[in-house]
Amino acid sequence: LAKTTQPISMDSYEGQEVNITCSHNNIATNDYITWYQQFPSQGPRFIIQGYKTKVTNEVASLFIPADRKSSTLSLPRVSLSDTAVYYCLVFGSQGNLIFGKGTKLSVKP
Amino acid sequence: EPEVTQTPSHQVTQMGQEVILRCVPISNHLYFYWYRQILGQKVEFLVSFYNNEISEKSEIFDDQFSVERPDGSNFTLKIRSTKLEDSAMYFCASPSGLGGAYEQYFGPGTRLTVT
Repeated sequence: LAKTTQPISMDSYEGQEVNITCSHNNIATNDYITWYQQFPSQGPRFIIQGYKTKVTNEVASLFIPADRKSSTLSLPRVSLSDTAVYYCLVFGSQGNLIFGKGTKLSVKP
Repeated sequence: EPEVTQTPSHQVTQMGQEVILRCVPISNHLYFYWYRQILGQKVEFLVSFYNNEISEKSEIFDDQFSVERPDGSNFTLKIRSTKLEDSAMYFCASPSGLGGAYEQYFGPGTRLTVT
């Protein structure tokens, strides 16, 4: 199971683009990269998933370099409601999610 | 977005009592998961359930815990004799069916407080 490392916390201001980088040096060939968001007292919520290059959906973009040893979640023009904990997960088998401590993003007005 | 529901939203119990947490996952899904999150800590996997059997469980999921699917829609997590350290948020989750197990829909959680 690939270990992930991400910053414990980040601060931003409304309207800015936020990039959260996750390191996963021992990612396996079959592993996908998945990001979740969690608000206080709520369950985690799936944001985006990718394998390589770039993935974009209505919420975020995910950038994965060719070596796949890291990934960057990009949140465009954040608002106060984007204040949450963001988790990077990497695993390949059809099974449970292994969460790390995540990155606590604080968006200020 | 498909909805996973959980009841109760908050359960207060005394140490040593049995509690049953309920979940109604996304219909027609064969895989279900239970996770817990102690206040201020990370989300931890407890158990996965596939086709009416435990598929995988963590070391947290000891003999005090059990899971059942008593009928076609409900999914329960039972803690037989609660301990203070069982106080946590308990989440059930269903995979989306589109993104594989990576994309799971989590319920709102049950806050268990053991006194």
